[in-house]
Amino acid sequence: AQSVTQLGSHVSVSEGALVLLRCNYSSSVPPYLFWYVQYPNQGLQLLLKYTSAATLVKGINGFEAEFKKSETSFHLTKPSAHMSDAAEYFCAVSVGSGGYQKVTFGIGTKLQVIP
Amino acid sequence: EADIYQTPRYLVIGTGKKITLECSQTMGHDKMYWYQQDPGMELHLIHYSYGVNSTEKGDLSSESTVSRIRTEHFPLTLESARPSHTSQYLCASSETTGGAGSGELFFGEGSRLTVL
Repeated sequence: AQSVTQLGSHVSVSEGALVLLRCNYSSSVPPYLFWYVQYPNQGLQLLLKYTSAATLVKGINGFEAEFKKSETSFHLTKPSAHMSDAAEYFCAVSVGSGGYQKVTFGIGTKLQVIP
Repeated sequence: EADIYQTPRYLVIGTGKKITLECSQTMGHDKMYWYQQDPGMELHLIHYSYGVNSTEKGDLSSESTVSRIRTEHFPLTLESARPSHTSQYLCASSETTGGAGSGELFFGEGSRLTVL
């Protein structure tokens, strides 16, 4: 069985500061890992995904994440926060069997950007 | 630009009413999903479908039912709504990929249901 732990349900950063959202996973087989973003009253949108190629993954809007197998982590970072980054961010792990991918989501981290 | 559409976006309804939440996608994806989302909780899978005439229950037990008569359409129905059904319902789809476990989910904008 797989699981995802997002540390910190709420994170506040100042505009221009580093954004770091933490995600740890557990999986009995090599996983695929995702970060999604959800803006108010919207669905989830893919930010980036790790699918066993490069361990450093670049996504949209200047975000990137690094897969660290030894730490079972997939933390999301952005060098400089922008007001438009305020949203909820979900880490997810996907493990497949027989063509069906079971996706497990974390509880989400709400990012607040302070002017 | 969304290729997966949910209607209604917001619905307020009285107890005992029958409701159907619509979900359609134009990407030709075989796999479709319904998730339930409550504040401070992870997304819970309540239904999924591999393709036409295929429906399965997800991890979270739900009194809702689904159907998949056409590839592009995956409606969710509650025969008798109750206040405990108040939640946000998210529809998603994914394409069949070569590697099991890969494949991102494409989400609709959600249907927020309030049962009074």
